[in-house]
Amino acid sequence: GDSVTQMEGPVTLSEEAFLTINCTYTATGYPSLFWYVQYPGEGLQLLLKATKADDKGSNKGFEATYRKETTSFHLEKGSVQVSDSAVYFCALTRPAQKLVFGQGTRLTINP
Amino acid sequence: NAGVTQTPKFQVLKTGQSMTLQCAQDMNHNSMYWYRQDPGMGLRLIYYSASEGTTDKGEVPNGYNVSRLNKREFSLRLESAAPSQTSVYFCASSGSGQSSYNEQFFGPGTRLTVL
Repeated sequence: GDSVTQMEGPVTLSEEAFLTINCTYTATGYPSLFWYVQYPGEGLQLLLKATKADDKGSNKGFEATYRKETTSFHLEKGSVQVSDSAVYFCALTRPAQKLVFGQGTRLTINP
Repeated sequence: NAGVTQTPKFQVLKTGQSMTLQCAQDMNHNSMYWYRQDPGMGLRLIYYSASEGTTDKGEVPNGYNVSRLNKREFSLRLESAAPSQTSVYFCASSGSGQSSYNEQFFGPGTRLTVL
């Protein structure tokens, strides 16, 4: 079945550091890919998405590119802030199918 | 436009008690979902409803029941709570059709403790 594998956390960085959180997937067909973010004490919010190969999703300085050849959707940000501290979930879905989540990566940014 | 709302926000139960978690969405979505989130385990799907009048089991349905009361509302019931059901519960909804890409919108969660 479909699955998503994320980089294990927790990840701790200093403010203004470069961030990469790896995500790879296994799915048949052409899934849509998502990154969700969960701030402390809150529900999940959609951060960005990409619906076809080579699409780049971007939001709030975060970017991820849908790479079909490597079945990956890595999350990147050039300069992280303390306010980016959260748990990040990679997910995929195919038409008429449920979302499949990765296990989540906890990110802590120190000032 | 409130999105997805959940009540209550917090609840403490004793083992064996029952309760119903309420969820409502105002986005005219067809599909609704209940997840639980345990520390270090990500989200696990309990039940979902692809459309009004239908419900299906997810990964971890044991000990739970659901009701899709109408298009807006999807409730989760614990008939006899157990300490293993201590968790944070999230409701979500999504549209249908290609334009929605099955993006899910989440509620703020219910933090449940079973003593």
